[in-house]
Amino acid sequence: KAGVTQTPRYLIKTRGQQVTLSCSPISGHRSVSWYQQTPGQGLQFLFEYFSETQRNKGNFPGRFSGRQFSNSRSEMNVSTLELGDSALYLCASSFDPGPEGRGYTFGSGTRLTVV
Amino acid sequence: AQSVAQPEDQVNVAEGNPLTVKCTYSVSGNPYLFWYVQYPNRGLQFLLKYITGDNLVKGSYGFEAEFNKSQTSFHLKKPSALVSDSALYFCAVRAAPNSGNTPLVFGKGTRLSVIA
Repeated sequence: KAGVTQTPRYLIKTRGQQVTLSCSPISGHRSVSWYQQTPGQGLQFLFEYFSETQRNKGNFPGRFSGRQFSNSRSEMNVSTLELGDSALYLCASSFDPGPEGRGYTFGSGTRLTVV
Repeated sequence: AQSVAQPEDQVNVAEGNPLTVKCTYSVSGNPYLFWYVQYPNRGLQFLLKYITGDNLVKGSYGFEAEFNKSQTSFHLKKPSALVSDSALYFCAVRAAPNSGNTPLVFGKGTRLSVIA
């Protein structure tokens, strides 16, 4: 079965612009989480969605937002881009509706470069 | 809030030798613990998890991890390292369901380099 699909794979944006990233979870998975990966900070949690509702939110500024659609696909948006937003953005989906043990399946990520 | 510490940014080991990648955690209540591996330009791949039961957990590619509640540790181990094990390894934790819907929190990662 298809894995977690993230689009686009690579993106170059200019400071001040906004960007939208997309994530299609594994079929049947209702939970989608987003992470920002940078060399110095590792993986930092952005937000988690379940059944179109944001269940958890990490410690990021309001420029970072997300949503989930009825088909479980998710988007995240970053407005007024800053150089420090350059990172690999990873999406992960899970079958479980709650904090259970099966873990996440990750997509390959979207590499965002802000210039 | 839960947190994960991976005290070593880099671990170097000779091929054929045993390897250990360290992880300690902090969480309210019982932990669910995970190890993931990341190869260059790829997402994270699941290796193994501890939910309950035996403290020694076996996972993919010959890896195992030992849960130690008193030391709040979950170190990743492999008896004989391969060059192909060279990658970035992440430990992650979340609280058990009776502590609420908490996110999965990751450590900063440990880069494992296996030298032939």
